[in-house]
Amino acid sequence: GAVVSQHPSRVICKSGTSVKIECRSLDFQATTMFWYRQFPKQSLMLMATSNEGSKATYEQGVEKDKFLINHASLTLSTLTVTSAHPEDSSFYICSAIQQGRGNTEAFFGQGTRLTVV
Amino acid sequence: EDQVTQSPEALRLQEGESSSLNCSYTVSGLRGLFWYRQDPGKGPEFLFTLYSAGEEKEKERLKATLTKKESFLHITAPKPEDSATYLCAVGGSNYGGSQGNLIFGKGTKLSVKP
Repeated sequence: GAVVSQHPSRVICKSGTSVKIECRSLDFQATTMFWYRQFPKQSLMLMATSNEGSKATYEQGVEKDKFLINHASLTLSTLTVTSAHPEDSSFYICSAIQQGRGNTEAFFGQGTRLTVV
Repeated sequence: EDQVTQSPEALRLQEGESSSLNCSYTVSGLRGLFWYRQDPGKGPEFLFTLYSAGEEKEKERLKATLTKKESFLHITAPKPEDSATYLCAVGGSNYGGSQGNLIFGKGTKLSVKP
């Protein structure tokens, strides 16, 4: 199956700093990528839909100025958590859709564990 | 409001002991129900997509079924390597026909002891 790579897998940062998370589709082009957040023992929650070459669409309650998304190419989307605070500590996961097949399927990255201290 | 509820929250089985996981959903017009497997510290791995009541799909020891209100993931003669969290998701109100914009349940953590 197709591979989606997320980097870094773990990051610890100080409160007030910014962190960038990369999501790459390694062997296919993804016009749309999705960013999710997962708190312990909670569901994956969709944060935003990232479209190549255009602005991201954010879900209700997600601050677009805090979670900056850039989808500059068909294989790369980035999520930047700006001025991170301890409550932003979570597991962030991206997914990408492989188009052009009989059944579209979402491939998920391995996730990024963000800890803000 | 679209919602997905999974039960039980956790399930412990002996190797070879078959069982079922439940996913109840409320959604205005089902556009797809998805099952994923998630290992600790990893992203979800796609298992099945079901689109209409009565549909069934199988993969090795797993079989997914769908009714108008719920889906079951049956696991037959499980092995320790089947231990994982199993996630159920449905296409939400912004669903665009692909596996994005998904509403996930909290998952069922399955542990299979040898």
